[in-house]
Amino acid sequence: DTAVSQTPKYLVTQMGNDKSIKCEQNLGHDTMYWYKQDSKKFLKIMFSYNNKELIINETVPNRFSPKSPDKAHLNLHINSLELGDSAVYFCASRNWRTDTQYFGPGTRLTVL
Amino acid sequence: DAKTTQPTSMDCAEGRAANLPCNHSTISGNEYVYWYRQIHSQGPQYIIHGLKNNETNEMASLIITEDRKSSTLILPHATLRDTAVYYCIVRSSHNSGGSNYKLTFGKGTLLTVNP
Repeated sequence: DTAVSQTPKYLVTQMGNDKSIKCEQNLGHDTMYWYKQDSKKFLKIMFSYNNKELIINETVPNRFSPKSPDKAHLNLHINSLELGDSAVYFCASRNWRTDTQYFGPGTRLTVL
Repeated sequence: DAKTTQPTSMDCAEGRAANLPCNHSTISGNEYVYWYRQIHSQGPQYIIHGLKNNETNEMASLIITEDRKSSTLILPHATLRDTAVYYCIVRSSHNSGGSNYKLTFGKGTLLTVNP
């Protein structure tokens, strides 16, 4: 059983387009995250939601809008894509009791 | 959260123990030491964490010095599948801030296990 899943795995698109990445976790966790890993392999947090409420926004441009329809889902919508948005985006959820995070397989976004 | 320092890369022979060091000299009393790893093209994976006592689980052992300024992650019998970037992360107690929890990843150590 996949704990944290993301779709799509690969996404290639043109500059200026709008795209969404979906994330689902079946672990029953209350807290979910989006991380971005750029070409230099630095992994940085973007957003965190707890019980569908935004709790962390790490100065991400307004073009990025996370949406959490329920505790098990955290989607990431990106408007007006730019070349610099090319990266691997990871979704994660947190087990509050053990204080550990579980990451999805990542979505590789390429903006042409 | 305290800053950590790790070697950029390390090599290890298959079947031997891999000892990955981490310096965290500015760690404060309520900060835990966490280790995650990222195998190529995969998401990060939790390995182990501890406060001041040594910890062991099915994946690894964590040795924290008495002054807590450094720690070592030990993979007792490294396999080729252990080749990955290993991240040492220091952060506040998980009981502080509750949901306001984030991981701050550094550059990590690229461990290459050789046949």
